[in-house]
Amino acid sequence: DAGVIQSPRHEVTEMGQEVTLRCKPISGHDYLFWYRQTMMRGLELLIYFNNNVPIDDSGMPEDRFSAKMPNASFSTLKIQPSEPRDSAVYFCASKMRGLSGGYTFGSGTRLTVV
Amino acid sequence: AQSVTQPDIHITVSEGASLELRCNYSYGATPYLFWYVQSPGQGLQLLLKYFSGDTLVQGIKGFEAEFKRSQSSFNLRKPSVHWSDAAEYFCAVGDVGSARQLTFGSGTQLTVLP
Repeated sequence: DAGVIQSPRHEVTEMGQEVTLRCKPISGHDYLFWYRQTMMRGLELLIYFNNNVPIDDSGMPEDRFSAKMPNASFSTLKIQPSEPRDSAVYFCASKMRGLSGGYTFGSGTRLTVV
Repeated sequence: AQSVTQPDIHITVSEGASLELRCNYSYGATPYLFWYVQSPGQGLQLLLKYFSGDTLVQGIKGFEAEFKRSQSSFNLRKPSVHWSDAAEYFCAVGDVGSARQLTFGSGTQLTVLP
């Protein structure tokens, strides 16, 4: 199992540009989570999906952020337009159904908006 | 709402010394508790988890944690630290009923001296 795969690992973009982050969860996992990590705010849950359906997006900071999960093996987090304060590491994690399933995190995407 | 407090932002220990990282949680019911480790530039790796049964939980890399309901604590321990243990450690609490979301502490940065 290759684990949770995120791409790109690093992204540098100019303010105002659209940014798309990608995630491939572990096969068979029913839940997918997007987290953001910054020095100031730590790890924040942005949104999570269950069986490809968005369940809670209350952590999405603004309308500039959107997330989709068109199928069980792929999710995207999009920021349009991007701003310097969006600079952070974005993590995707997946989890199987049930209490015994732990969360598996990807290696993250480090986003820098200049 | 559930919350996690890691009172130590940074801890320094000598290689071979014992380690204890503190974690206190706030949750209205039986919590689902985790410890994760994050090495620089990497995602979060699960060290151990607790959701029922024996209150002393064994994890990977020689770590263990003890759940103490009376103290609302879930402290992480290791009897002898290795230089490779230098990393950031996160405690997290989840909902036993749904086990969908995790709330993370702010993390403890561990430095290991030779």
